[in-house]
Amino acid sequence: LAKTTQPISMDSYEGQEVNITCSHNNIATNDYITWYQQFPSQGPRFIIQGYKTKVTNEVASLFIPADRKSSTLSLPRVSLSDTAVYYCLVGDMRHYGQNFVFGPGTRLSVLP
Amino acid sequence: ETGVTQSPTHLIKTRGQQVTLRCSSQSGHNTVSWYQQALGQGPQFIFQYYREEENGRGNFPPRFSGLQFPNYSSELNVNALELDDSALYLCASSLEVGNEQFFGPGTRLTVL
Repeated sequence: LAKTTQPISMDSYEGQEVNITCSHNNIATNDYITWYQQFPSQGPRFIIQGYKTKVTNEVASLFIPADRKSSTLSLPRVSLSDTAVYYCLVGDMRHYGQNFVFGPGTRLSVLP
Repeated sequence: ETGVTQSPTHLIKTRGQQVTLRCSSQSGHNTVSWYQQALGQGPQFIFQYYREEENGRGNFPPRFSGLQFPNYSSELNVNALELDDSALYLCASSLEVGNEQFFGPGTRLTVL
């Protein structure tokens, strides 16, 4: 299983861009990179998923370098409501969920 | 479209007792996964069910068992409860194995 490493916590201010980097040195060929967001007392919510290069959706961008040993979640212009824990997961899509290992995540605090 | 729901919201049991937690999958989803999330930790994969059959299991003892019904709702049963079983239990459904998972709000279990 690909192990991931991310910062335990980050602080930001409203309106800033936040970049959270995740290291996954042992990523396998079939593995995808998925990011989830979790608010207190709620289940995680899917943010974005990618395999290589750059993926963008309405809430975030995901940057993956050519060697795929790391990835960066970019949240543009964060607001107070973006305060949450962000998890980076790496896993084989064919076994989605079975081998997904959530680390402790990155606790993002957005300040006014 | 109804999202993933779980019941009960909160539950208090004593050591040695048995508990059943319930999950109603999102409409049309035939795959459900269960996770245990201890305080301050990321969710840990317990098992996954696909079309009523277990389709993968994490590192949990046999006293953690599950069922998936023809309507794709599911149950998580835990026997001989231990203090360390106190956690938030999350279920997540997906359209098929390998698709995006949608998490429910969780059941918070407290074992005294």
